[in-house]
Amino acid sequence: SQTIHQWPATLVQPVGSPLSLECTVEGTSNPNLYWYRQAAGRGLQLLFYSVGIGQISSEVPQNLSASRPQDRQFILSSKKLLLSDSGFYLCAWSGLAGDPGTQYFGPGTRLTVL
Amino acid sequence: SQQGEEDPQALSIQEGENATMNCSYKTSINNLQWYRQNSGRGLVHLILIRSNEREKHSGRLRVTLDTSKKSSSLLITASRAADTASYFCVYGGSNYKLTFGKGTLLTVNP
Repeated sequence: SQTIHQWPATLVQPVGSPLSLECTVEGTSNPNLYWYRQAAGRGLQLLFYSVGIGQISSEVPQNLSASRPQDRQFILSSKKLLLSDSGFYLCAWSGLAGDPGTQYFGPGTRLTVL
Repeated sequence: SQQGEEDPQALSIQEGENATMNCSYKTSINNLQWYRQNSGRGLVHLILIRSNEREKHSGRLRVTLDTSKKSSSLLITASRAADTASYFCVYGGSNYKLTFGKGTLLTVNP
């Protein structure tokens, strides 16, 4: 069966520090991968999605970036965090079928920028 | 914005009662999905209804879709305290991207 992992689960970082959040998927090949951010009490905002290694589409211009160095690894990064980067970050994967297909979410990372 | 809207934003009921949540969307869709999110956790997929379907059931869940009104409803019958969560209406067009509504916070009181 497929599983998706995210770490760390929680993170407290000072303004201006770098960020690296990692997401890995097991049990499937060539998944579509997604990074979302959820502000408190809000819906999900799509940040990045990837349909293959090295292929990244950005949905929202900001100081975040994403990379996909391996088929089942998706990394969210920032060189300098802002206060507004605080939130709940969720990684998700989907298969090729469904148009659009069901997305399966990781447990999330709670980021607090102080 | 293409974001959908769930109605109501919050719903509080007693255990055993039925809960109905509505969703409106603005674009043409290939399917519509409902997800649940327990507090501080990831989202869990509940059910998917295709644009050519009008109603779908899964256990205690019943979803309807009216593409002429661009609306959907999620009914949870015989609710339980464990159903307490936020419920999101989620839809997309012909690409891989999903649009999430703001969610309905359901509280089921024991």
